[in-house]
Amino acid sequence: TQLLEQSPQFLSIQEGENLTVYCNSSSVFSSLQWYRQEPGEGPVLLVTVVTGGEVKKLKRLTFQFGDARKDSSLHITAAQPGDTGLYLCAGGGATNKLIFGTGTLLAVQP
Amino acid sequence: DSGVTQTPKHLITATGQRVTLRCSPRSGDLSVYWYQQSLDQGLQFLIQYYNGEERAKGNILERFSAQQFPDLHSELNLSSLELGDSALYFCASNRGHGYTFGSGTRLTVV
Repeated sequence: TQLLEQSPQFLSIQEGENLTVYCNSSSVFSSLQWYRQEPGEGPVLLVTVVTGGEVKKLKRLTFQFGDARKDSSLHITAAQPGDTGLYLCAGGGATNKLIFGTGTLLAVQP
Repeated sequence: DSGVTQTPKHLITATGQRVTLRCSPRSGDLSVYWYQQSLDQGLQFLIQYYNGEERAKGNILERFSAQQFPDLHSELNLSSLELGDSALYFCASNRGHGYTFGSGTRLTVV
C-alpha cells in the first residue's frame, strides 16, 4: 500500500514567518502534486512536479521533488493569512489515480 | 467555479437508507474520480471511471457502487448507510496530471 506522510500535521504561525511542509513516502511516484483546500471546498491544485530534483516556484511558494521521487517539500516565504488552509500532497502513478497525503493544516495569524 | 459540478451539496439521512450523489465532470474530461474525506482517514480514493468504463478501484465498500453515463456524468450510490459513512464525498476530473475537484457533498448519517 502506498502511503504519503506529511509533517507537521498542524502549524500555527504569525504573518511574515517562513515555513516548510514535508511529504514523505517509501514508494516512488511518477508525479507529485500539491493542493490547498479551504473549508467547505474541494482541493485546488497548486503545482505538479514530475522530475526528480525538480524545483518550482509559485510566487512565495517553492516546491521541490526529491531526487528519488519519493518525497517532496513545500516552502512558504513570508506567510500571509490568505495562505491559511489544508495543504495536501498527492502522488500519481500509471493510472492517473492519486494517493493523497495525510495533510497539513496551516493557520496564519495576522 | 471549478467546472466540476456536484449535487447535492448537503445530505442528511438515516441509518439503513440509500442515497445517490451526482457529479458532472469538467467539459471535455473523460475521467471521473470519487474520493471520501473524513477527519480520521483523510482523502481516500474510492473509484475511477474513464469514458463509461471502470478504470481503477480503491477502498470502496461493497455497499457502495458507481457508474458513469454516456453523457459522462457519474453517480455514486451508497446503500445500507451507517453512521461511519458520514463524510465529505468529492469527485474530480482531469486532463493530464492535475485533478479539478468539485465542491463536494457533505453526507451526514443520523
